[in-house]
Amino acid sequence: NAGVTQTPKFQVLKTGQSMTLQCAQDMNHEYMSWYRQDPGMGLRLIHYSVGAGITDQGEVPNGYNVSRSTTEDFPLRLLSAAPSQTSVYFCASSPPGTGKGKLFFGSGTQLSVL
Amino acid sequence: GDSVTQMEGPVTLSEEAFLTINCTYTATGYPSLFWYVQYPGEGLQLLLKATKADDKGSNKGFEATYRKETTSFHLEKGSVQVSDSAVYFCALRGDSNYQLIWGAGTKLIIKP
Repeated sequence: NAGVTQTPKFQVLKTGQSMTLQCAQDMNHEYMSWYRQDPGMGLRLIHYSVGAGITDQGEVPNGYNVSRSTTEDFPLRLLSAAPSQTSVYFCASSPPGTGKGKLFFGSGTQLSVL
Repeated sequence: GDSVTQMEGPVTLSEEAFLTINCTYTATGYPSLFWYVQYPGEGLQLLLKATKADDKGSNKGFEATYRKETTSFHLEKGSVQVSDSAVYFCALRGDSNYQLIWGAGTKLIIKP
């Protein structure tokens, strides 16, 4: 079982560069989300989606875009990277119904913006 | 709004010691409560959950009881191992949506 797959694992960007973090899940989950994890701040929700074609903002959406053209994929785009976006990024998905709240996480992308 | 408060870490224990990590919450209605664990270099994974008052979640020797009267969901383990060293997150989910409200995480260090 592949579960939730994130790429790349590590990335270094220069300020102003753009990039896309990829996330794919093979569990047919409706719900997908992106979090960032910073020391001492726990997890903060960036964007989420409850199904193909539907996205919404989380707690810290500024500087990030998402789209959900298929159930499987939920890429996160950094439009113009800033040092404040240095963080570890996690993609997570969840099944519907009684499975809500059981998040399946990818292994993370460590991003450094210089 | 809803919130989760966890004890600050790191918590350092010797192997075979008893573990308690405190978690309290503020929420309207009847939230579901979760403990997630993050091992070094990995994503989070669900450790246990409880969906209603007085439920006890358990997994891998860890337990937590949903106490509505004290709005708490403390994580306990009777005898910790070095392999339990990780960061533990308490979280809640409201009645009708997917979103989780997260605590800040508690780092646990177990020394042999």
